[in-house]
Order: sequence, then C-alpha cells, then structure tokens
Amino acid sequence: SQQGEEDPQALSIQEGENATMNCSYKTSINNLQWYRQNSGRGLVHLILIRSNEREKHSGRLRVTLDTSKKSSSLLITASRAADTASYFCATAIQGAQKLVFGQGTRLTINP
Amino acid sequence: DAGVIQSPRHEVTEMGQEVTLRCKPISGHDYLFWYRQTMMRGLELLIYFNNNVPIDDSGMPEDRFSAKMPNASFSTLKIQPSEPRDSAVYFCASSLRRGWDYEQYFGPGTRLTVT
Repeated sequence: SQQGEEDPQALSIQEGENATMNCSYKTSINNLQWYRQNSGRGLVHLILIRSNEREKHSGRLRVTLDTSKKSSSLLITASRAADTASYFCATAIQGAQKLVFGQGTRLTINP
Repeated sequence: DAGVIQSPRHEVTEMGQEVTLRCKPISGHDYLFWYRQTMMRGLELLIYFNNNVPIDDSGMPEDRFSAKMPNASFSTLKIQPSEPRDSAVYFCASSLRRGWDYEQYFGPGTRLTVT
C-alpha cells in the first residue's frame, strides 16, 4: 500500500467554501510536502512542514501535521475556481533520500 | 528564471522505437529528478542525480530505460525499445540542495504515447 494516502480521492465544493484534504503515511518522516497539479501541467510546491512542526500557514493554506497519528491535513480557505486541481502530499521518509508521493485528491470548485 | 524546461511536450511513437526525453533544470540546482505519472501507479521516482552523478536509479523499471546528465544544465531519459506500457507523463524536477528536504520544481512534463 502507499506510504502517503490522500483522503478523499475527490472533493467537490462551492466557491467560497473551505476545502480540507487529509494525508496519512506509514513510516517516520523528516518532512511532509503538499503539491498542486493543474490539469495537464507539472506539480507546483505549496508548503513544506517539518516533523518537529505542527502547523504552517501560507496565504489561504493551512497545513497541520500530527506525527503521533502519522497524518497531515491541508485546508484551503475561501476557495476559488482557480483552486480546482489535484493536490498531492509527499513524504520525505527518514533514511530514504527521496520524496514519496500519494495518489492525490482531485478538488473541484464549483462557481 | 524560465523554470524547468522539458522537451518534447508530446511524443507519439510506435512500439520498438527509441524515445529520448530532455530536461533543462533550473540553474544552480544541484539535484535533478525524473518521475513517471500514470493513473494506475501515480507519480513514481525513476532516478535522481546530484551534481550530475546518478545517485539512485532503483525506480528505473527495466534496462530499456536509461538516463544521463552530461552537464549541470541538461539531462536525458531514454527508452529503447519503447513499449505501449511506457505510455505515461514523464516529469523532470530540480531542487536546491537535498531534494527531499526542500521543495522540488517540476517541469511541464512530456506526455508519451507508445502505440
């Protein structure tokens, strides 16, 4: 099974609402990163949270990390149509020199 | 900076043909990564380089795949011979310093279709 698994696989909300996506992982990590991918494009880095951090903010994004539960969440507040994309969590596993990406959450913002 | 540049953006080829994908990383980035994205397997790391040296190629699926980085500004991923199951989007990414501890910058990808 995947090191990083996003939940839900797909999410559809109305513009202006908040969107929450979750990521669970299995092994200890050094950091966890969130990326966005618009259809037909490359991934864009959103935020990185290190294992000794619990919460980070960037604009309308809020990321939390709970290492005891091996989970992270990405909250997008006041969603916009332009937020429609797939969102991936990526974990930097301790002792492994690479990022492992989850399968992603497909977010649709309806106008 | 123009970001990570990949070429071609789309490639359609017949089974058995050689395919070469190209990547120009962001200037000054020490790490370069090649990923493959499919619906079934998601985003997989194929190989990565540090200062032009291949460090981990454990994700390369078969000997048909090879990658080179002759200098700091250019890398290629070659598939020879290509097979229909190689159809995917191939991404190149680069990173400053340790690419798993810092953000990675992705190129737009090459969509490969092998018929």
